Amino acid sequence: EAGVTQFPSHSVIEKGQTVTLRCDPISGHDNLYWYRRVMGKEIKFLLHFVKESKQDESGMPNNRFLAERTGGTYSTLKVQPAELEDSGVYFCASSQERVWETEAFFGQGTRLTVV
Amino acid sequence: GDSVTQMEGPVTLSEEAFLTINCTYTATGYPSLFWYVQYPGEGLQLLLKATKADDKGSNKGFEATYRKETTSFHLEKGSVQVSDSAVYFCALRNSGAGSYQLTFGKGTKLSVIP
Repeated sequence: EAGVTQFPSHSVIEKGQTVTLRCDPISGHDNLYWYRRVMGKEIKFLLHFVKESKQDESGMPNNRFLAERTGGTYSTLKVQPAELEDSGVYFCASSQERVWETEAFFGQGTRLTVV
Repeated sequence: GDSVTQMEGPVTLSEEAFLTINCTYTATGYPSLFWYVQYPGEGLQLLLKATKADDKGSNKGFEATYRKETTSFHLEKGSVQVSDSAVYFCALRNSGAGSYQLTFGKGTKLSVIP
């Protein structure tokens, strides 16, 4: 069974540019999460999709970040325009059931560097 | 709000040494507690979990006990191996309504040398 897949694995962009990160969850997983780890700090929750609907987007830092999950399959996270403080590792995770004890499976992450 | 505090590394141990990584938490309600591990070049993997007070999670020789009285979930292993070198994250998920997000600590990098 394929795990959670994220593209690209690394991205280096200039300040002001746009970057789109993609996440393919495990097939059949309705729940999809985005997290971010800024260097030296905690992994922070960004948002949670249930199928194509945003269940909780309380962690999104500002309106430069836009997440979508059209059709309830893969998800994209767009940063436009990117700022230096957006640098970090962006993780995607998915889980099958909508219960809070369920394990979330994580992807390898996308390392974003804004220069 | 909820928070997790874990000892900051890096931690360097010799093979077969005893490992403890301390983790304490602050949360309302009755959270579930987790340890995730990130091996070099890989994603986060669930190592073990405990869902209620006094539960002990265990996996791959690692153990952690949910201590409500001390709000702690310390990770231990009796004899580490080089293959245990990784970054370890303590996390909690609160049982609040509609809350499925994980709250993580900063991570502890462990290096085990032969």
